[in-house]
Amino acid sequence: EVQLVESGGGLVKPGRSLRLSCTASGFTFGDYAMSWFRQAPGKGLEWVGFIRSKAYGGTTEYAASVKGRFTISRDDSKSIAYLQMNSLKTEDTAVYYCTRGPSSSSSFDYWGQGTLVTVSS
Amino acid sequence: DIVMTQTPLSSPVTLGQPASISCRSSQSLVHSDGNTYLSWLQQRPGQPPRLLIYKISNRFSGVPDRFSGSGAGTDFTLKISRVEAEDVGVYYCMQATQFRYTFGQGTKLEIK
Repeated sequence: EVQLVESGGGLVKPGRSLRLSCTASGFTFGDYAMSWFRQAPGKGLEWVGFIRSKAYGGTTEYAASVKGRFTISRDDSKSIAYLQMNSLKTEDTAVYYCTRGPSSSSSFDYWGQGTLVTVSS
Repeated sequence: DIVMTQTPLSSPVTLGQPASISCRSSQSLVHSDGNTYLSWLQQRPGQPPRLLIYKISNRFSGVPDRFSGSGAGTDFTLKISRVEAEDVGVYYCMQATQFRYTFGQGTKLEIK
């Protein structure tokens, strides 16, 4: 069974940093791209970015709203994807979801339960 | 960025009756590889999103066959043949044809 578990969320002041983790199980982690999405309270879904598998260079793509502040990385030996968030703004407050994908069909087939990040002074 | 527009934003439906949600993109979602990367996701109250449909009309594993997707180019539709109580939630279309991936605003499905 595929499982994705996010951790690392919490309350942080504007301008500070936070690192989220996504621990995966139930599949060969290194074979897949991994993505992050977010959902502000009461709002819709927003794509944050993804990291390709090592077979595709392990390169990353980001939404314009986070590019230069957020960094996605992966540790295939531990089956963990990370989201390093720097220079946080109040508008980054959201539930952050880790997903598997995009797959070859450019879909995001499994989602974690999410972790809440609150940016407030 | 490609703008995704869903209609309606709210859909009250009687149990056992059909429901339909439309999604329109601001430009064609046909990728240079010939595929159209349009997905539908369901988010039940208090739950993370769940993939229902990918590449317009392909049901993901475990998704009931009362859910179906159709469309082409810039116009897409999600249909539920007979709404059940467990279908309550918000439905999103999403395009993954072009960076940056974008979603519709969401359609709230509720029971009358």
